[in-house]
Amino acid sequence: DIQMTQSPASLSASLEEIVTITCQASQNIGNWLAWYQQKPGKSPQLLIYGTTSLADGVPSRFSGSRSGTQYSLKISRLQVEDIGIYYCQQASSTPYTFGAGTKLELK
Amino acid sequence: EVQILETGGGLVKPGGSLRLSCATSGFNFNDYFMHWVRQAPGNGLEWVAEVRNKNNNYATYYAASVKGRFTISRDDSKSSVYLQVSSLRAEDTAIYYCTRSDWLYYFDYWGQGVMVTVSS
Repeated sequence: DIQMTQSPASLSASLEEIVTITCQASQNIGNWLAWYQQKPGKSPQLLIYGTTSLADGVPSRFSGSRSGTQYSLKISRLQVEDIGIYYCQQASSTPYTFGAGTKLELK
Repeated sequence: EVQILETGGGLVKPGGSLRLSCATSGFNFNDYFMHWVRQAPGNGLEWVAEVRNKNNNYATYYAASVKGRFTISRDDSKSSVYLQVSSLRAEDTAIYYCTRSDWLYYFDYWGQGVMVTVSS
């Protein structure tokens, strides 16, 4: 199985700050990587797919990138509504594995 | 508008069974693969099972942790997908989400989830 190692586990940031979350894949997954946001008590929502493509309705302050097998989610200017837990997911092969999550809080 | 609604959760004893249902609307069900993803209390997301569409021979795939105990199926005439969960263990306690993907395997719409609690 492909392991997705996500960091940090938690993150505290101020409004308007730049936030970066990373995921390291245990093997080559190409651009088969998605990011999800989950708010308390809610279902996950797709943010980014194919490493860099924004899902419908996702603000442009979110962006994704890749360097080898390391993937990053960047929030350019943190807003209150961005608070939640973020997960990466590899879509390269079954089982489709998720990272352990990053809990993003407001400082 | 895409809608996904899970039902059928509840409290069940270890070794017991349940059938989870997922009714969908607002999209061409036949075009999509359907999945179940679960989330244990306070934990992260775990993909559980997938059923592909008719064009892909309704192929099914399972996580190792549930293989042989869970069965996913779909009824295209009802735009619904099901998860028969059997031989349940305490570690199966979770919210079970129904979600869809196309051939790119990204989960773009999710249901609200249904809780399964395995306890004596």
